[in-house]
Amino acid sequence: EAGVAQSPRYKIIEKRQSVAFWCNPISGHATLYWYQQILGQGPKLLIQFQNNGVVDDSQLPKDRFSAERLKGVDSTLKIQPAKLEDSAVYLCASSPGDSPYGYTFGSGTRLTVV
Amino acid sequence: AQSVTQPDIHITVSEGASLELRCNYSYGATPYLFWYVQSPGQGLQLLLKYFSGDTLVQGIKGFEAEFKRSQSSFNLRKPSVHWSDAAEYFCAVGARNNNDMRFGAGTRLTVKP
Repeated sequence: EAGVAQSPRYKIIEKRQSVAFWCNPISGHATLYWYQQILGQGPKLLIQFQNNGVVDDSQLPKDRFSAERLKGVDSTLKIQPAKLEDSAVYLCASSPGDSPYGYTFGSGTRLTVV
Repeated sequence: AQSVTQPDIHITVSEGASLELRCNYSYGATPYLFWYVQSPGQGLQLLLKYFSGDTLVQGIKGFEAEFKRSQSSFNLRKPSVHWSDAAEYFCAVGARNNNDMRFGAGTRLTVKP
């Protein structure tokens, strides 16, 4: 089966600019997650979707971050405006939803804010 | 909320030597426990997981981990390390009533020839 696809792989932007990341989960996976991984740290959950509804966005900085999952398939994570501290790898993961934590991670998007 | 501590930021072992990576968790009940590996520029790959039952869990690539409730630990072991095992290793703990998984800060493994 195809894995979790993410694009772009790398992105460099200036602070105060906006950026968007795209994730295509494994076909049929109901649950989708966005994680932020700052250099030297473990991944931190930003938002969890179940189909096209938000399950948990308690750690999403909503003043600048937004995410959507239209039609319960692809998802987009946006940052507007970006800050220097947003430099990180943004990982998308998906799971079938019928087994606890059956995550599959994508390769991530590395964002550098200068 | 649950949390994970990986006490070792960086470990260096010689190829062929044994390996143990430490993981301690904090959670009020029996958690779900995981070990992931991340190679440079790659996503996270699941090595093994513990949900219940036998406390010694076998994973991929020759890794195993042992859940010790009394010590709140879930240490990862491998009897003989290969150069290709050099990577970042993350321990994670999940709650049993939701899909909230928390990761440790990771341990970077260097393998000497």
